[in-house]
Amino acid sequence: NAGVTQTPKFQVLKTGQSMTLQCAQDMNHNSMYWYRQDPGMGLRLIYYSASEGTTDKGEVPNGYNVSRLNKREFSLRLESAAPSQTSVYFCASSEGELAGVRNEQFFGPGTRLTVL
Amino acid sequence: DAKTTQPNSMESNEEEPVHLPCNHSTISGTDYIHWYRQLPSQGPEYVIHGLTSNVNNRMASLAIAEDRKSSTLILHRATLRDAAVYYCILRDYSGNTPLVFGKGTRLSVIA
Repeated sequence: NAGVTQTPKFQVLKTGQSMTLQCAQDMNHNSMYWYRQDPGMGLRLIYYSASEGTTDKGEVPNGYNVSRLNKREFSLRLESAAPSQTSVYFCASSEGELAGVRNEQFFGPGTRLTVL
Repeated sequence: DAKTTQPNSMESNEEEPVHLPCNHSTISGTDYIHWYRQLPSQGPEYVIHGLTSNVNNRMASLAIAEDRKSSTLILHRATLRDAAVYYCILRDYSGNTPLVFGKGTRLSVIA
């Protein structure tokens, strides 16, 4: 079991470039999430997908789009990168609605993105 | 969402117990208290959760005040591997809402 995997691990972009961050989970989880973490801060939710075929905005969705490609994969796209999007991006997954109260979220190792 | 308040940082000696406090004075009756921790350069991981009664697992214990307006995560014997940022998070009873992270408490463990 690899758990939650993210690619790439590191990326440097120039302002205005676009890119897609990939996330996959092998735990048959229904729900998936994208967070960003700026230095010295907690994680902030960008988008999430409660189940395959649905996506919802989180706290900081502006400048991002997401695609729930299938049950395993949830990608995050930056259409026109800005320096303010320099951050560490974490993908997470959880069993979802039927998991009960614990509904533990499992996190990937993160993608460190720098926008120059 | 009800908010939590945690100290920015705490320090502990290795093999000593650590008590990490969390205040949540606006907690609702259906909110559960979850704790996650984030080791350096890693994503967060689940530690423990509870509603009213104190809870124990292999990682830690959770002590919840009778009025539920505060809670304490207890690490019984801190090790260097416990150095991390610890997040106290309120989540409704359904468990089906994304986690909302504050800044957490950065725990340093001194050998």
